[in-house]
Amino acid sequence: GENVEQHPSTLSVQEGDSAVIKCTYSDSASNYFPWYKQELGKRPQLIIDIRSNVGEKKDQRIAVTLNKTAKHFSLHITETQPEDSAVYFCAASLGAGSYQLTFGKGTKLSVIP
Amino acid sequence: GAVVSQHPSRVICKSGTSVKIECRSLDFQATTMFWYRQFPKQSLMLMATSNEGSKATYEQGVEKDKFLINHASLTLSTLTVTSAHPEDSSFYICSARDGVGLTYEQYFGPGTRLTVT
Repeated sequence: GENVEQHPSTLSVQEGDSAVIKCTYSDSASNYFPWYKQELGKRPQLIIDIRSNVGEKKDQRIAVTLNKTAKHFSLHITETQPEDSAVYFCAASLGAGSYQLTFGKGTKLSVIP
Repeated sequence: GAVVSQHPSRVICKSGTSVKIECRSLDFQATTMFWYRQFPKQSLMLMATSNEGSKATYEQGVEKDKFLINHASLTLSTLTVTSAHPEDSSFYICSARDGVGLTYEQYFGPGTRLTVT
């Protein structure tokens, strides 16, 4: 089955700096890669996603890049703010026919004011 | 739109009893629902996939007789933890996929915190 590795497990940045979280996946058939933000005791919130036919996607301060050949994808957050502090999860899915998500282990991001 | 609710949000039960958790899609038809378990400071682990009107598919290592899943309608799936034990204490989260359209997105419920004493 699919295996998703995520690193780093913890990340501390100064407010205003950028944060980068990286994930690799094992199944080359995976074609959907969402990123979630989860605050303590809350549901995961989709913050951005990308499909395998796209190399990069951006939404304001958040961007995701995908390298299908290397089977890795990354989340980039620019101009970080204290409210960005949370746990971030990457996931991978085979998409049509399955739709199951395999999650990475998560990255705890702390933005220091 | 695309709201998923879960009930109850928190439940405390005694060891050996059963607990039912409901997951509802409020404004869309969910042909597929997923159940996850999340232990403290860990990731979400898929327990099972349920399709409306058919038996759930359980992930390896998840006991189907202990975690009973029913997806009787396009808006409701239930997870029953039978003969609960303290090690079943966890955060249970459901998600649902809108069966209409080409979206791959899953919509997550707010989760249920189960504590077994």
